[in-house]
Amino acid sequence: GESVGLHLPTLSVQEGDNSIINCAYSNSASDYFIWYKQESGKGPQFIIDIRSNMDKRQGQRVTVLLNKTVKHLSLQIAATQPGDSAVYFCAENPLAGGTSYGKLTFGQGTILTVHP
Amino acid sequence: GAVVSQHPSWVICKSGTSVKIECRSLDFQATTMFWYRQFPKQSLMLMATSNEGSKATYEQGVEKDKFLINHASLTLSTLTVTSAHPEDSSFYICSGPRGDTQYFGPGTRLTVL
Repeated sequence: GESVGLHLPTLSVQEGDNSIINCAYSNSASDYFIWYKQESGKGPQFIIDIRSNMDKRQGQRVTVLLNKTVKHLSLQIAATQPGDSAVYFCAENPLAGGTSYGKLTFGQGTILTVHP
Repeated sequence: GAVVSQHPSWVICKSGTSVKIECRSLDFQATTMFWYRQFPKQSLMLMATSNEGSKATYEQGVEKDKFLINHASLTLSTLTVTSAHPEDSSFYICSGPRGDTQYFGPGTRLTVL
């Protein structure tokens, strides 16, 4: 079935480096994409989102890139800090107005470890 | 971001008992909320959609008679795991939308002995 997947299950970086987490999606009907951060024993925390009519969006230290041609998302974290260590999930949301709207499909998750 | 709470944060119960988990949106109202389940080292899997004023809709493979959902108000949805068994042990997480963004609760760790 349709799914959202990740290329790399784990990523280890040094403090201060930039991190890039990738995600491939297969549902071309998805309209809205979100990156979440999940720390151990906690619920997912919203990081940044992007709509299908955009190819880049920037937040504080984070940037999301969307390549619809190859159905690929990435999350870039600048100057990674130990507090960024967590599992990062991409999620896709079907088209607004549809019966599946709000039903997120999550990728596998990437474990980011930041070494001091 | 929006705030969603869950209660309890963790619960341990005996096999065969029922457990109720509450999900509250604290600073927004939601006619729809969602319940997810997450097993260790795995991703979140959508279980069901909680609808205020109507029946919940369940994803394929999720037993509606085992996972009872009640959307009691625009700020409260409850998930009751009936006749729990050890295989139901998991991390249960709810979410509610504010605008297009889903905000998640902190999760409830259920352990069934």
